[in-house]
Amino acid sequence: DAKTTQPPSMDCAEGRAANLPCNHSTISGNEYVYWYRQIHSQGPQYIIHGLKNNETNEMASLIITEDRKSSTLILPHATLRDTAVYYCIVSRGYSTLTFGKGTMLLVSP
Amino acid sequence: GAVVSQHPSWVICKSGTSVKIECRSLDFQATTMFWYRQFPKQSLMLMATSNEGSKATYEQGVEKDKFLINHASLTLSTLTVTSAHPEDSSFYICSAPPGGGGNQPQHFGDGTRLSIL
Repeated sequence: DAKTTQPPSMDCAEGRAANLPCNHSTISGNEYVYWYRQIHSQGPQYIIHGLKNNETNEMASLIITEDRKSSTLILPHATLRDTAVYYCIVSRGYSTLTFGKGTMLLVSP
Repeated sequence: GAVVSQHPSWVICKSGTSVKIECRSLDFQATTMFWYRQFPKQSLMLMATSNEGSKATYEQGVEKDKFLINHASLTLSTLTVTSAHPEDSSFYICSAPPGGGGNQPQHFGDGTRLSIL
């Protein structure tokens, strides 16, 4: 699986949009971009995934660049409960997931 | 949606005892399940791949005789930490991809916090 690069930490004010970037310059054609988050002492929670088109669900939006070398996860209105470590993972989906260090998002009042 | 249940969520036991952790897929069949371990302030590390009806595949550096994996049915995989010692204390997490391949996301259990005294 391709490797990803994320900033170690980000801050966001409650109610504002949180934009979390991810670089995956070695992504291959059949690999998807998955986003998970992990709240302290819990298992990872699936957020969203995509191949090349932008995706949106009830939790977030995923913007993938045209060359697929980077993506951005957008939480449109961050709340305190969104404070977590966010992992961007590139995978074919049914294979193992390789977790990097992720981005620690701190949402403040 | 796909749900993975893990039990127990928390266990404390004495050094030398064996501990069994269960991972169940509640509304789908999982021919494959994955076991991860997470130490404090670190990321998840894959330990092994559990395959229904066959032997598990272990990652380099993971002792297969120490961490016994059984995947006897399409909805249950178990991880047994044998003769546990304090250095085995960690957060153990399982995951399962929905059957049929494809790109559907894996779903994770809530993890098991293991503390060996």
